Amino acid sequence: EAGVAQSPRYKIIEKRQSVAFWCNPISGHATLYWYQQILGQGPKLLIQFQNNGVVDDSQLPKDRFSAERLKGVDSTLKIQPAKLEDSAVYLCASSLVAGFTDTQYFGPGTRLTVL
Amino acid sequence: AQSVSQHNHHVILSEAASLELGCNYSYGGTVNLFWYVQYPGQHLQLLLKYFSGDPLVKGIKGFEAEFIKSKFSFNLRKPSVQWSDTAEYFCAVIRRGAAGNKLTFGGGTRVLVKP
Repeated sequence: EAGVAQSPRYKIIEKRQSVAFWCNPISGHATLYWYQQILGQGPKLLIQFQNNGVVDDSQLPKDRFSAERLKGVDSTLKIQPAKLEDSAVYLCASSLVAGFTDTQYFGPGTRLTVL
Repeated sequence: AQSVSQHNHHVILSEAASLELGCNYSYGGTVNLFWYVQYPGQHLQLLLKYFSGDPLVKGIKGFEAEFIKSKFSFNLRKPSVQWSDTAEYFCAVIRRGAAGNKLTFGGGTRVLVKP
């Protein structure tokens, strides 16, 4: 079974530039998550989709971050404009549904460096 | 707000030593508990999980964890570590009933096993 795919794996940009990350979840998984992991910290949920609808985006900085999941499969996360404090690893995860007994499977992440 | 605390940020030990990593959470309701592991250069993987039943949970690679409800703890243990157990370990909690069943992570513990 193929895992969660993410691209790019690494990205270096200057502050005020924009950047986009892509995620392809495990086939058949209805729920998709984006996490931000700052160095030395655990992952923090940014946004959760159930199919193509948003379930939770309470921790997404909506003035600069946006995410979409068209057709309920792939998803993109965008940052515009980027700030220095956005330097982190952005993780995508998916699960079969969103039940509390469901296991989330993580992709390899995109490491973003903002200069 | 719900929080997850991991007591040690870094642990260094020799092969064959025993390992115990502490995890405490702050929420008083019903929770699901997880330990994830991230080996160097790899993505987050599920080590074990607790939903209900026997509070002693066995996972992959000889790891186990014990849920002690009265102490709000879910400590991870391994009787005899190997060099290949060098990794970062994350405790995570889902509060049942929370919107979207949000997964909250601890800050992680980096474990270095010396050969």
